[in-house]
Amino acid sequence: EAQVTQNPRYLITVTGKKLTVTCSQNMNHEYMSWYRQDPGLGLRQIYYSMNVEVTDKGDVPEGYKVSRKEKRNFPLILESPSPNQTSLYFCASRAFSGGAVEQFFGPGTRLTVL
Amino acid sequence: SQQGEEDPQALSIQEGENATMNCSYKTSINNLQWYRQNSGRGLVHLILIRSNEREKHSGRLRVTLDTSKKSSSLLITASRAADTASYFCATDQDSGGGADGLTFGKGTHLIIQP
Repeated sequence: EAQVTQNPRYLITVTGKKLTVTCSQNMNHEYMSWYRQDPGLGLRQIYYSMNVEVTDKGDVPEGYKVSRKEKRNFPLILESPSPNQTSLYFCASRAFSGGAVEQFFGPGTRLTVL
Repeated sequence: SQQGEEDPQALSIQEGENATMNCSYKTSINNLQWYRQNSGRGLVHLILIRSNEREKHSGRLRVTLDTSKKSSSLLITASRAADTASYFCATDQDSGGGADGLTFGKGTHLIIQP
């Protein structure tokens, strides 16, 4: 089954404790991205990756890091989480053919930073 | 940056009625997509309309696109309780081959009352 998986689904942590949210897709998609969703703000892109070892900032990259060492994985790293990073996070992937293609979303990770 | 803006923010109708949601955007696009999100879950792609198309149908969904007005509408006919969800438009911007992904609006929360 074609899917995007994220782990963990729920996480409560404390300020300053480094964490990683994993994302994996099994569709051989070139393009992957991370979004955060906050009430009243919709989805905002954090980082995206066009392919292995190619990453770039989205609209709200501050406080986040990503890596793309393998095509299927795109982890989101919070080196020193702060309460304003409490949010619902979504990973997404799509083929990058230059044409019109849909994005596939993971189930989301609800993060609370105390 | 926020591109699509959905209208209304929330809509409550009776089961069986039609639901119409609108989306406005600011810059040139390659295509516009509509996604659905059930509470706290990942987004699911519904329908895509390319910039050279004016109308598209998929089951009970009808999407229109007016590039001169930079707007789109999503019509759900004969609504069902299971259609209760948030609906987002997302624009794939005409950025000359760049890959900054989709830009999402803040969504319309649709409630179908039985």
